Amino acid sequence: QQQVRQSPQSLTVWEGETAILNCSYENSAFDYFPWYQQFPGEGPALLISILSVSNKKEDGRFTIFFNKREKKLSLHIADSQPGDSATYFCAASKNNAGAKLTFGGGTRLTVRP
Amino acid sequence: EAAVTQSPRNKVAVTGGKVTLSCNQTNNHNNMYWYRQDTGHGLRLIHYSYGAGSTEKGDIPDGYKASRPSQENFSLILELATPSQTSVYFCASGDVWGSYEQYFGPGTRLTVL
Repeated sequence: QQQVRQSPQSLTVWEGETAILNCSYENSAFDYFPWYQQFPGEGPALLISILSVSNKKEDGRFTIFFNKREKKLSLHIADSQPGDSATYFCAASKNNAGAKLTFGGGTRLTVRP
Repeated sequence: EAAVTQSPRNKVAVTGGKVTLSCNQTNNHNNMYWYRQDTGHGLRLIHYSYGAGSTEKGDIPDGYKASRPSQENFSLILELATPSQTSVYFCASGDVWGSYEQYFGPGTRLTVL
């Protein structure tokens, strides 16, 4: 049973558009939600994260919207750039020391110039 | 700058052979993790460690062993490799304080023939 699900599996947008990546989770005990960005041939790297006490987190062009009641969150990438083309992973864990991350299956984003 | 390195970067093994994947981190992080990445499954946790001498089973430990001889080094061992273990393996390190961010290595591509 996959505890963290992502959709769509792949997404193509034009340069300048807003890309929306979706994520949902099963475990109500999860309260820390990081998004990781992965370029081909590299390991994932933390992009932005949110705690369940917040419903929104912004960092430049990247924004997380979080709905605790529906167990859903989304990553919005405003003014998408070709350099944003990568695979994005939503993850979840309990917010305590040593907590394990559970990853979703990823969304491959392509931004066309 | 924090760094996680993995060796080898590519490995071809035969069915039934023994494979050891190595990971070294210079972050002085207590926690280290081994994941495998397969299309559609995201990253799945195999084993992790809270410090030298400790290893814990992750979500998919069957067929794998782990060893943490020091703060810096964490190995993943496949005693009897099988074709189903063909995958890309990532090591990560993480702190137990602050953001709980995990820092990933560049990955090892393992092919079991």
